[in-house]
Amino acid sequence: GAGVSQSPSNKVTEKGKDVELRCDPISGHTALYWYRQSLGQGLEFLIYFQGNSAPDKSGLPSDRFSAERTGGSVSTLTIQRTQQEDSAVYLCASSFGQVNTEAFFGQGTRLTVV
Amino acid sequence: GENVEQHPSTLSVQEGDSAVIKCTYSDSASNYFPWYKQELGKRPQLIIDIRSNVGEKKDQRIAVTLNKTAKHFSLHITETQPEDSAVYFCAAMGGGSNYKLTFGKGTLLTVNP
Repeated sequence: GAGVSQSPSNKVTEKGKDVELRCDPISGHTALYWYRQSLGQGLEFLIYFQGNSAPDKSGLPSDRFSAERTGGSVSTLTIQRTQQEDSAVYLCASSFGQVNTEAFFGQGTRLTVV
Repeated sequence: GENVEQHPSTLSVQEGDSAVIKCTYSDSASNYFPWYKQELGKRPQLIIDIRSNVGEKKDQRIAVTLNKTAKHFSLHITETQPEDSAVYFCAAMGGGSNYKLTFGKGTLLTVNP
């Protein structure tokens, strides 16, 4: 595709349910990043992938959060047993995975836990 | 890990004035420093970046300076316009094979007509 695509755009879920957020990076981009942005807040780093491996998953808030990437392309962020504090916009970005290359963001998934 | 501090958190200027946003980073190995602009309800978009072997870079009304010794870098916007109003984020990318991109907490810039 022309840009980074995320789905769904919006997700409302009940507390305690599991959710999956999907990111389709730009074709050929080997690096993929997940960030969380709460209302009016900054870009909180969650995890990044280089190919299918995750060199840094230090930002995952708890063991309820996990992410995977298969085929060096699509990535899925899974949140188990969602809590209200998980409500935020989840942003994905991708780049060519080399130093000095631009990271492009998707439009984000707005997650609301009720 | 890398820690990026950004100041100020909010900045209000009159149209035509200059705006300066400053960031510091902790990892001396970091060697790529992009700046992103996020308009309300939209995704962040790159506006300018600088590599570690360059001290300054300019693109029309926007300039970025880098001081590797002091580990700080700044964004300068001259002749500000209302459409410059947005949240600006600085970021640092690790060196070597570390491509982790760490962001500052952002600066809300308001340009008053």
